[in-house]
Amino acid sequence: DADVTQTPRNRITKTGKRIMLECSQTKGHDRMYWYRQDPGLGLRLIYYSFDVKDINKGEISDGYSVSRQAQAKFSLSLESAIPNQTALYFCATSDWDHPYEQFFGPGTRLTVL
Amino acid sequence: KQEVTQIPAALSVPEGENLVLNCSFTDSAIYNLQWFRQDPGKGLTSLLLIQSSQREQTSGRLNASLDKSSGRSTLYIAASQPGDSATYLCAPETGNQFYFGTGTSLTVIP
Repeated sequence: DADVTQTPRNRITKTGKRIMLECSQTKGHDRMYWYRQDPGLGLRLIYYSFDVKDINKGEISDGYSVSRQAQAKFSLSLESAIPNQTALYFCATSDWDHPYEQFFGPGTRLTVL
Repeated sequence: KQEVTQIPAALSVPEGENLVLNCSFTDSAIYNLQWFRQDPGKGLTSLLLIQSSQREQTSGRLNASLDKSSGRSTLYIAASQPGDSATYLCAPETGNQFYFGTGTSLTVIP
């Protein structure tokens, strides 16, 4: 079984809908991250969390919110999806004693029509 | 804000060639730099991690170097194989955040 899983793997939705992307990890890491990847722009950090009570905005947090329900779970929400949020979304984890080594999930491809 | 550039954007080589991928970054005050591999439709796999106090790291046929003062890192792949075909991303870490380049898409032709 994969250490970092993301659900759903693919999602097509319409403008204005609320969407939640979920990430779970079995690595026991305390740090979790959400990125989006767009062609020509690389990966950009949306939010990150260093433990259950710690949430931090990344480079492009506008239009997104997150919830750290447990150490192993970190979800990303789009309250009202818009077409320019169409992208590939990745969850990643790292451990406090090796914070610079990140492990990525397989990604969620989101299309907003 | 850290800006990361990777050159070339795409590279096609015959099997067996040695090759170099380049990464440059604008803020030299980094803690670490990580090289990743991304296969189509999949997540990122960590290849090499260079801490700021190190100048290079090696893993098998891969060697990554880091020159913080000039804001550059290179990934050297020896004796390339078709299985090396993927996109390679570099990511310097600054202030608990990783900043990713757009990657170099590598194709190794059998």
